[in-house]
Amino acid sequence: EDKVVQSPLSLVVHEGDTVTLNCSYEVTNFRSLLWYKQEKKAPTFLFMLTSSGIEKKSGRLSSILDKKELFSILNITATQTGDSAIYLCAVLKGAQKLVFGQGTRLTINP
Amino acid sequence: DAGITQSPRYKITETGRQVTLMCHQTWSHSYMFWYRQDLGHGLRLIYYSAAADITDKGEVPDGYVVSRSKTENFPLTLESATRSQTSVYFCASSESGTGNTIYFGEGSWLTVV
Repeated sequence: EDKVVQSPLSLVVHEGDTVTLNCSYEVTNFRSLLWYKQEKKAPTFLFMLTSSGIEKKSGRLSSILDKKELFSILNITATQTGDSAIYLCAVLKGAQKLVFGQGTRLTINP
Repeated sequence: DAGITQSPRYKITETGRQVTLMCHQTWSHSYMFWYRQDLGHGLRLIYYSAAADITDKGEVPDGYVVSRSKTENFPLTLESATRSQTSVYFCASSESGTGNTIYFGEGSWLTVV
């Protein structure tokens, strides 16, 4: 059975801190791993990772994939209150199916 | 630029009633999806469609019916609603089916009492 597991499920930090969110997976027909941010409504796309060891970066956010150990991390540096959201990890497998993890609820306190 | 719209956004219904959630996209994307989001489960795929008149089951299809007679519409019907179907439902569309090009609707909050 396909499985995507995120940790921690919930995280509360102070503004300015750096956070690392984890995602491990066991999925057949792996195509890519994706990260989304969800703020009270629809998820919005952050990163798509296909190859191991290549860091994707966007501003203060970065992510990397390890296809040997079957996990990915999402880093957020110098966190801001606007980073508060649920962060979703998903694996795209054959036939355009996304398998999601449970999500990590991140709260940034001022 | 309407994008992808869902209706109704909020619905309360009774157990046993039939409910249809509508999804409309203006991009002529080939792929459309229905997900449900529940606490502790993330998003789970209910049904998806690769083109008009082509639909397939996802992870949790039981109790749901879909149709896709037109490319732009992908309604989801709960034939006889149960309390376990209380959830937030997200419709999504994609031209290529790859994860970075999937666009989600705003969600439909359904409560079954």
